[in-house]
Amino acid sequence: QSVLTQPPSASGTPGQRVTISCSGSSSNIGNNDVYWYQQLPGTAPKLLIYRNNQRSSGVPDRFSGSKSGTSASLAISGLRSEDEADYFCAAWHDSLSGHVVFGGGTKLNVL
Amino acid sequence: VQLVQSGAEVKKPGESLKISCKASGYSFTSYWIAWVRQMPGKGLEWMGIVYPGDSDTRYSPSFQGQVTISADRSGYTAYLQWSSLKASDTAIYYCARSSTARYGSTLGRLDPWGQGTLVTVSS
Repeated sequence: QSVLTQPPSASGTPGQRVTISCSGSSSNIGNNDVYWYQQLPGTAPKLLIYRNNQRSSGVPDRFSGSKSGTSASLAISGLRSEDEADYFCAAWHDSLSGHVVFGGGTKLNVL
Repeated sequence: VQLVQSGAEVKKPGESLKISCKASGYSFTSYWIAWVRQMPGKGLEWMGIVYPGDSDTRYSPSFQGQVTISADRSGYTAYLQWSSLKASDTAIYYCARSSTARYGSTLGRLDPWGQGTLVTVSS
């Protein structure tokens, strides 16, 4: 079981807007920044969003991130076929040891 | 900025292994390097980090005692090693550059990533 909770799948048609949620607690999302990663099939993950809502270099403005309380969301507008990928949220988890935790990932299907 | 990982490995249970991640294009000693596991068909798991500047390491509780993370600052290379592999260690292992901060929130930033090293453990 992942510390951060994401829906296992999401889908949309080209041009649509989809959102992917990421739920945590005060030990992680509630007091720390959220990061989003995109993993295209057969490739290494890539940083998409950092510090909750900042797009990484080269990421289209169709991608946006937000955070409220202990939850975060990734929104993709103007959905394109090349957006079909796995998306993971991540955050620092405050504890004795302190470490990064990931969501279980959401598989986005573009129908 | 680039991270290039060593090639795929096939090992037997009980064998030892050390895989590498060579960095280039930035000040290697100033950024943490993280290791992330992805088991077949599964999600991402943060294993731990090393700060090449002074070899400080931090581990996820799930991986503490199971692996050793290290770095050679003169060779711009980080390492992940096992003393006794298990079949359940079969996975793709990624290295990624993290932040310069010594603790906290920004360590969630992983960019860029290496291409991944597939480790297969089978008798």
